[in-house]
Amino acid sequence: GAVVSQHPSRVICKSGTSVKIECRSLDFQATTMFWYRQFPKQSLMLMATSNEGSKATYEQGVEKDKFLINHASLTLSTLTVTSAHPEDSSFYICSARDLRAEGKLFFGSGTQLSVL
Amino acid sequence: DAKTTQPPSMDCAEGRAANLPCNHSTISGNEYVYWYRQIHSQGPQYIIHGLKNNETNEMASLIITEDRKSSTLILPHATLRDTAVYYCIVRVDNYGQNFVFGPGTRLSVLP
Repeated sequence: GAVVSQHPSRVICKSGTSVKIECRSLDFQATTMFWYRQFPKQSLMLMATSNEGSKATYEQGVEKDKFLINHASLTLSTLTVTSAHPEDSSFYICSARDLRAEGKLFFGSGTQLSVL
Repeated sequence: DAKTTQPPSMDCAEGRAANLPCNHSTISGNEYVYWYRQIHSQGPQYIIHGLKNNETNEMASLIITEDRKSSTLILPHATLRDTAVYYCIVRVDNYGQNFVFGPGTRLSVLP
């Protein structure tokens, strides 16, 4: 199946710093990518929909100024957690749909963010 | 998208078939049934999907009832590496929209 690469896999940062997470579709173009967060023993929750060349669409309750999303190309979307705080510690996952594969959704391997 | 109901957890003996049920009684005619699984600390992995007919691939089989109100994912010979949370998702095949994940079924394959 299609490959979605997410980097870094794990990051530890100090409170108040910003962290950037990259999501790349390696062998297909993705006009739309999705960003989720997942707390321990809970399911994935959609944070935002990233659209290439336009502004992201955020889910209710997600602060767009805190979670900056950029989708500058058809193969790359980035999520920046600005001024991170301990409550932002979570598992962040990106995904993209491969239109060549009946639109199936493929996921990155996730990023475990720990804010000290 | 239609709501799905899955048992919170199941056990299966290694080497035996794992049958994971999903109820989707409010499914619409144009909604597909998708199955994904998530192994601990990894991103979800696509398993299989179908509309009306039963489907089989190298990973699993999907059995959809004739009225489409429920389905079963079958892992024919479960291994320890199949231990994961399995998500059943029902949705219209709209390329622009995301998948909504419920709590899923935590499958434990026991040696």
